[in-house]
Amino acid sequence: DAGVIQSPRHEVTEMGQEVTLRCKPISGHDYLFWYRQTMMRGLELLIYFNNNVPIDDSGMPEDRFSAKMPNASFSTLKIQPSEPRDSAVYFCASSLSGKGRLGGYTFGSGTRLTVV
Amino acid sequence: AQKVTQAQTEISVVEKEDVTLDCVYETRDTTYYLFWYKQPPSGELVFLIRRNSFDEQNEISGRYSWNFQKSTSSFNFTITASQVVDSAVYFCALSDLNRDDKIIFGKGTRLHILP
Repeated sequence: DAGVIQSPRHEVTEMGQEVTLRCKPISGHDYLFWYRQTMMRGLELLIYFNNNVPIDDSGMPEDRFSAKMPNASFSTLKIQPSEPRDSAVYFCASSLSGKGRLGGYTFGSGTRLTVV
Repeated sequence: AQKVTQAQTEISVVEKEDVTLDCVYETRDTTYYLFWYKQPPSGELVFLIRRNSFDEQNEISGRYSWNFQKSTSSFNFTITASQVVDSAVYFCALSDLNRDDKIIFGKGTRLHILP
């Protein structure tokens, strides 16, 4: 299994531009999570999906952030417009409900976003 | 509300020393999971262990051991005979057993193993 795949690995963009981060979960996993990691705030849960449906988006910082999961094998996190304070590493993770908790989540390698 | 506290922001020890990383959690739930993850310098997050609130047995895996004490709401992690490759950020995390799959992470402890 290829694991959770995120793209791009690195993204540098100018303030005001739209940024789209992509995630392919592990096949068969029914939960998908987006986390943001910064030095100041650590790992914050932004949103998570179950069977492609958003369950909890209370961690999404502002309306500039949106996430979609059009099918079981793909999710996007979009920031529009981007701001320098959005600079962080964004992780996607997936799990299989029930048994998934045995092994926790499987995380992707992350996308390091820099907004200048 | 759920909360995970890792009071040690950064620890440095000399190789071959033992080191314990502290984790204290808060939850109103009676059933929950606790986790430890490792984030090496390469940046990925690696699952180490999961423990459920019903099982207070300590666990050992090679040089790693975990001490779960419900009475003090702690789930501490000890590395015995540390090695340079153990240098990483270690995260403790908590998840409710019944409600959902959401995991709440502590702020992490950065561990430096000096040669």
